[in-house]
Amino acid sequence: DSGVTQTPKHLITATGQRVTLRCSPRSGDLSVYWYQQSLDQGLQFLIQYYNGEERAKGNILERFSAQQFPDLHSELNLSSLELGDSALYFCASSPSTGGETQYFGPGTRLLVL
Amino acid sequence: GQNIDQPTEMTATEGAIVQINCTYQTSGFNGLFWYQQHAGEAPTFLSYNVLDGLEEKGRFSSFLSRSKGYSYLLLKELQMKDSASYLCAVRDQRSNDYKLSFGAGTTVTVRA
Repeated sequence: DSGVTQTPKHLITATGQRVTLRCSPRSGDLSVYWYQQSLDQGLQFLIQYYNGEERAKGNILERFSAQQFPDLHSELNLSSLELGDSALYFCASSPSTGGETQYFGPGTRLLVL
Repeated sequence: GQNIDQPTEMTATEGAIVQINCTYQTSGFNGLFWYQQHAGEAPTFLSYNVLDGLEEKGRFSSFLSRSKGYSYLLLKELQMKDSASYLCAVRDQRSNDYKLSFGAGTTVTVRA
């Protein structure tokens, strides 16, 4: 158990819908990272938040957005969902701005029908 | 950006040794990580190298050569539970920003 929690574990929805994924980092960690993992793409970095502020952006679509709240938990919002958004979404956390090991949560499996 | 290459699949016998190679190209190298990922589960941290040489952790060892852009993960005394995907990840640093990029992963199958 890494200490990173994610909810929900599974999510099934329809195309065009919007969902919110939630992540709580390890106690004391200030950075949260979001990753997408699909069968044909591997683990892709989406976005990083550090202490409430966006720190780095990866291959995140405009339909996706994220935020980090004062209690340091983070939410990833996915809107106008498409079939291709079906994937595992992982959250990871680290103590500071990124120069440390990242520890991953159990993931949310999203299925868009 | 990074270009990270590792073999897609490897098969080995229980009790044997397997070496997973990883080559990378990056402009601001700041460390190389190996993660283990069982199907449908979270990646779990195995090892970290930032200086050249071998890091040993029980049955797992990781080696780095920065000049060659090369690393390997060595799994000894293979057990059935070692069947998993092994992800090589490279961290870049630019100023105060860091970025971790993952290879596609190597699926290791351990056979009895």
